Amino acid sequence: GAVVSQHPSRVICKSGTSVKIECRSLDFQATTMFWYRQFPKQSLMLMATSNEGSKATYEQGVEKDKFLINHASLTLSTLTVTSAHPEDSSFYICSARLGGSNQPQHFGDGTRLSIL
Amino acid sequence: AQKVTQAQTEISVVEKEDVTLDCVYETRDTTYYLFWYKQPPSGELVFLIRRNSFDEQNEISGRYSWNFQKSTSSFNFTITASQVVDSAVYFCALSVGGSNYKLTFGKGTLLTVNP
Repeated sequence: GAVVSQHPSRVICKSGTSVKIECRSLDFQATTMFWYRQFPKQSLMLMATSNEGSKATYEQGVEKDKFLINHASLTLSTLTVTSAHPEDSSFYICSARLGGSNQPQHFGDGTRLSIL
Repeated sequence: AQKVTQAQTEISVVEKEDVTLDCVYETRDTTYYLFWYKQPPSGELVFLIRRNSFDEQNEISGRYSWNFQKSTSSFNFTITASQVVDSAVYFCALSVGGSNYKLTFGKGTLLTVNP
């Protein structure tokens, strides 16, 4: 149980392209999903908390117009990197929380984004 | 503010050795949760364990065991008889109610188990 699917697993695209990443909870409903960014050999950095039916809450320093988050249903959250540039290249990983706010987060497999 | 420190950046062992990964946390909240996650080379994070601040019982799951000591603010993870498949980055994380239970991660420990 508690499976989170993230798609696509890898994206390579040209600078200026907008890229959408999907995060789905397959066998449970998630009122809250999280988006993280991870640079090579570093820890996970929380970008934003995505709540179903409401606006996402962004962490300090994360541009909300650059990283658009939509949590339209209890099983799907999307992250769109708008007009991506090489500095946006990174590993993006989502998680979903099953049940109450003190429950563990279950993570997707991540998306490796490379902007040329 | 919360903080998680994993002082060991990298550990290398030979198969069948026991290995302990250290985790020290800081928080002023009295209610908090501690987690360990495994990130193999493929990238996904695998949930291993959750512990709440009121439960100091140590836990064993197969070759894995966890030692939670509030007195030293530590939540250490031991792998007994390590295997090559245990090679991964291991993250310790903390969540507290005061921050809406967002996860604060340590920097991770890269464990390499050599045959």
